[in-house]
Amino acid sequence: GENVEQHPSTLSVQEGDSAVIKCTYSDSASNYFPWYKQELGKRPQLIIDIRSNVGEKKDQRIAVTLNKTAKHFSLHITETQPEDSAVYFCAASRGGSSNTGKLIFGQGTTLQVKP
Amino acid sequence: ETGVTQSPTHLIKTRGQQVTLRCSSQSGHNTVSWYQQALGQGPQFIFQYYREEENGRGNFPPRFSGLQFPNYSSELNVNALELDDSALYLCASSPGQGKVAEKLFFGSGTQLSVL
Repeated sequence: GENVEQHPSTLSVQEGDSAVIKCTYSDSASNYFPWYKQELGKRPQLIIDIRSNVGEKKDQRIAVTLNKTAKHFSLHITETQPEDSAVYFCAASRGGSSNTGKLIFGQGTTLQVKP
Repeated sequence: ETGVTQSPTHLIKTRGQQVTLRCSSQSGHNTVSWYQQALGQGPQFIFQYYREEENGRGNFPPRFSGLQFPNYSSELNVNALELDDSALYLCASSPGQGKVAEKLFFGSGTQLSVL
């Protein structure tokens, strides 16, 4: 079945260091890969996304890479700041005539950035 | 432009009862998806509504049902509540552009506790 594995489950870095979170998906028809940030008690917020026709996308300190052959995608945060501390979720979707809103989420990574 | 709003924010029910959760989609969005997020887990897709019809469903039993209204707002109904239904229920809206997997914008959720 459809599955997304996310690693690590927790990640602690010093302020200014980089953080990398990795995900693997099982459905080879997946073509859309968003990343969400969820602070405690708040809604998941879309921080970056990538579609399968692109290998890499960058937005300021955040970048996402996609390897379709290996079915891997990763989130890279550079120059981390304490406000980056949150739970990060990767997700995958295949779209289609229905289920355009169906995302398969990973289990989440709790990122702690120490000042 | 208003975001996705959900009500109520918190709810306590007892096993066997029924519950209705409500969601107003973001302005201009005609597709609504519902997700269940258990503590420490990623959100799981329940179903999606587009133009007042369910057009996608995850692995949830029939006692989970929904509605979408002409103004694109939506309800999630859960009958015969079980203890395992305790979770954060998230509503997400998207523009409804067709068959392509879409960016989802989440509400803050309803925290349901079943005792």
